[in-house]
Amino acid sequence: DVKVTQSSRYLVKRTGEKVFLECVQDMDHENMFWYRQDPGLGLRLIYFSYDVKMKEKGDIPEGYSVSREKKERFSLILESASTNQTSMYLCASSLYYSAGVGSNQPQHFGDGTRLSIL
Amino acid sequence: QKEVEQNSGPLSVPEGAIASLNCTYSDRGSQSFFWYRQYSGKSPELIMFIYSNGDKEDGRFTAQLNKASQYVSLLIRDSQPSDSATYLCAVTLRNSGGSNYKLTFGKGTLLTVNP
Repeated sequence: DVKVTQSSRYLVKRTGEKVFLECVQDMDHENMFWYRQDPGLGLRLIYFSYDVKMKEKGDIPEGYSVSREKKERFSLILESASTNQTSMYLCASSLYYSAGVGSNQPQHFGDGTRLSIL
Repeated sequence: QKEVEQNSGPLSVPEGAIASLNCTYSDRGSQSFFWYRQYSGKSPELIMFIYSNGDKEDGRFTAQLNKASQYVSLLIRDSQPSDSATYLCAVTLRNSGGSNYKLTFGKGTLLTVNP
């Protein structure tokens, strides 16, 4: 079974802090993704990566950055946390990149990190 | 705007009934379709996926594709209270330039199975 592990289930940070969310997958997947999920807005893609050191912006990248130094690890960074970044953050991974991002392989999600910015 | 649409529900069915969940998509070129189940406070869990070449059945779950009308359905037979969750549909849609595909999620349908 695919295992996607997010470093924290719950996290509370203060406005202006730099926040790191970590994600590790154990299935040698090429693609990795970061989403946030908010009531009424659904899942929104923040950033994705299809290879080590590669990254691409999703639909809502503002205020975030990412790092992928190793194939199994994909980090999301909130450069200066703000209250509107309070959300559930979900990491996902999928097998190889073909015609597009995860275009024909399912994405597998971690348990999520519920982040509160005070 | 490329979209995936779902009725937000709630869809309420009695235990043992068939629950039918639908999802419409805007891109006629879409070829990959995924259904996820999400319990309250949990992350999405993949139930099943189909490609444009046909339907699929897995236990009590059946995914069906109607390409002409651009919708995909998930049928849950013999519904159980444990099936009560939000069901997310995800479809690969082409970007605005038509050169790349992205997995796009609907906002989900809340299903309630009453004992």
